[in-house]
Amino acid sequence: EAGVAQSPRYKIIEKRQSVAFWCNPISGHATLYWYQQILGQGPKLLIQFQNNGVVDDSQLPKDRFSAERLKGVDSTLKIQPAKLEDSAVYLCASSFDREDQYFGAGTRLSVL
Amino acid sequence: AQSVTQLDSQVPVFEEAPVELRCNYSSSVSVYLFWYVQYPNQGLQLLLKYLSGSTLVKGINGFEAEFNKSQTSFHLRKPSVHISDTAEYFCAVRVTDKLIFGTGTRLQVFP
Repeated sequence: EAGVAQSPRYKIIEKRQSVAFWCNPISGHATLYWYQQILGQGPKLLIQFQNNGVVDDSQLPKDRFSAERLKGVDSTLKIQPAKLEDSAVYLCASSFDREDQYFGAGTRLSVL
Repeated sequence: AQSVTQLDSQVPVFEEAPVELRCNYSSSVSVYLFWYVQYPNQGLQLLLKYLSGSTLVKGINGFEAEFNKSQTSFHLRKPSVHISDTAEYFCAVRVTDKLIFGTGTRLQVFP
């Protein structure tokens, strides 16, 4: 069974630029999560999708972050414009039953 | 509000020695507790979980954890570690279907 796929693995941008991350969950997993993991901290949930609908985006900085899951499968997380404090690893996870979550390898973002 | 505290940011240990990684939680509702491992440049992998039943939970790679309700703890243990166990370990509590993570403990195993 293929795992959660994320791309790119690494991204370096300058502040005020835009960036997008892509996630393809495990086939059949209806729930998809985006987490932000800042160095030295645990992952923090940004947004949760159930199929193509948003379940929880209370921790998403909506002035600069956006996410979509238009067809209920893969998802894109965008930051525009990026700030220095957005430097982090962005993890995508998916779940079949909203119990066990399976994580991708993440995208490491460096904002200079 | 629910939260997780991992008391040790780093734990150095020699190979074949036992190890315990500490985790305390606070929750006003029934708890579901998890331990995840993150190897360098990889995502998180589930080690074990406590949902209900026996308070001693066995997971992958020889790890186990004990749920202690009175002490609100869920410490992770392994009787004999290997070099390959070097990684970051995260304790988490699930609230509805959302995971709240601790800050992590870096386990460094030396030969």
